[in-house]
Amino acid sequence: QSALTQPASVSGSPGQSITISCTGTSSDVGGYKYVSWYQQEPGKAPKLMIYEVSNRPSGVSNRFSGSKSGNTASLTISGLQAEDEADYYCSSYTSSSTLVFGGGTKLTVL
Amino acid sequence: QLQLQESGSRLVKPSQTLSLTCAVSGVSISSDYYSWSWIRQPPGKGLEWIGFIYHSGSTYYNPSLKSRVTISLDRSKNHFSLRLTSVTAADTAVYYCAKYCSGGSCYSGAFDIWGQGTMVTVSS
Repeated sequence: QSALTQPASVSGSPGQSITISCTGTSSDVGGYKYVSWYQQEPGKAPKLMIYEVSNRPSGVSNRFSGSKSGNTASLTISGLQAEDEADYYCSSYTSSSTLVFGGGTKLTVL
Repeated sequence: QLQLQESGSRLVKPSQTLSLTCAVSGVSISSDYYSWSWIRQPPGKGLEWIGFIYHSGSTYYNPSLKSRVTISLDRSKNHFSLRLTSVTAADTAVYYCAKYCSGGSCYSGAFDIWGQGTMVTVSS
């Protein structure tokens, strides 16, 4: 199975909004609602930020939102803050009953 | 409070078998809707899903690793394990165990609880 496609890096200034895309196929992202997003700070384990495409777990800021159109899912962070600087990964369930991650996106807050 | 903790050999010789255990506290590994997964991250690289085992014992693996991977449950100890055979330097990575929710009232289709990760180096 191939990794989902994410941009290697994105950047934005404090207060701005950024969007990270996650492109797969109809056999993963496009075919299921089980798309999730994770934030990983250096040296730490990933943290769940979005599940089922657009739902936020308890305790996650409402500045984080998710959506999906066709085979592409997106994570949007609004009101960018310095603390949002991290790596972000998407993940999707697949038609083979397996899981696949995206290659990861490094977010830089300018 | 649900917690996961990895343990096992940190240095493995090439061609040998990597073995890790994930101790689960705060919930039974036999609970409905929970699956137990292994994920790894080579130094400076992204996350790679290795596989998971459902509470029923059914297993699913990454096709690229399937021939070398075994994930198992030990209900008496409330832990699950990873075995990866015939390792090479390419298997050097931080290995994470994680809980995956496959339905019910938890965060469906997501890894909601992660262990801290353990670095495994393959070297002679």
